[in-house]
Amino acid sequence: LAKTTQPISMDSYEGQEVNITCSHNNIATNDYITWYQQFPSQGPRFIIQGYKTKVTNEVASLFIPADRKSSTLSLPRVSLSDTAVYYCLVGAPGAGSYQLTFGKGTKLSVIP
Amino acid sequence: DTAVSQTPKYLVTQMGNDKSIKCEQNLGHDTMYWYKQDSKKFLKIMFSYNNKELIINETVPNRFSPKSPDKAHLNLHINSLELGDSAVYFCASSQGGSVAKNIQYFGAGTRLSVL
Repeated sequence: LAKTTQPISMDSYEGQEVNITCSHNNIATNDYITWYQQFPSQGPRFIIQGYKTKVTNEVASLFIPADRKSSTLSLPRVSLSDTAVYYCLVGAPGAGSYQLTFGKGTKLSVIP
Repeated sequence: DTAVSQTPKYLVTQMGNDKSIKCEQNLGHDTMYWYKQDSKKFLKIMFSYNNKELIINETVPNRFSPKSPDKAHLNLHINSLELGDSAVYFCASSQGGSVAKNIQYFGAGTRLSVL
């Protein structure tokens, strides 16, 4: 079974760049890496997705090394509203069906 | 209009009861999911349906039975509720194709409390 590992929590001051790394050693060849953001009492919300190298959108960047065994979500110049839990998701084959394994999530606290 | 809607938002019930949670999506997606998020915030996939067919069935007690009357709906029925079933249950949907790639859209969650 594929598993992901993320730091449990991180603190950052407003305006700083935050990097959250997810380890996924058993990632399969066809799997994509997807990051979600979750605020309290809400469902997760898509942030960014990638397969390899670097992906950037208006919200974040995603860095994936050549071996794809980890990925780093980069949030530029965080604000208080970025305080949330961030989940790393990869698909992995298992028992005849694809399993979606969310990481345990990283709780990001942005400090004024 | 809400893309993925779940009802009810809160559900408080006694042990041993049977309850259902409904989910509907108006995004025209082919794939729907149920997740369970426990008190430690771990988010675990339970089931996934693609065009009304079960494609993911994690190690979940058989007291949990998903039902998909059409591809826009995926309901979750739980028999003989136990204390350990207390959690937030999220429904999600995605466009279809490669499950590993598709972006999921989540509902707001149903907070189930078993007393």
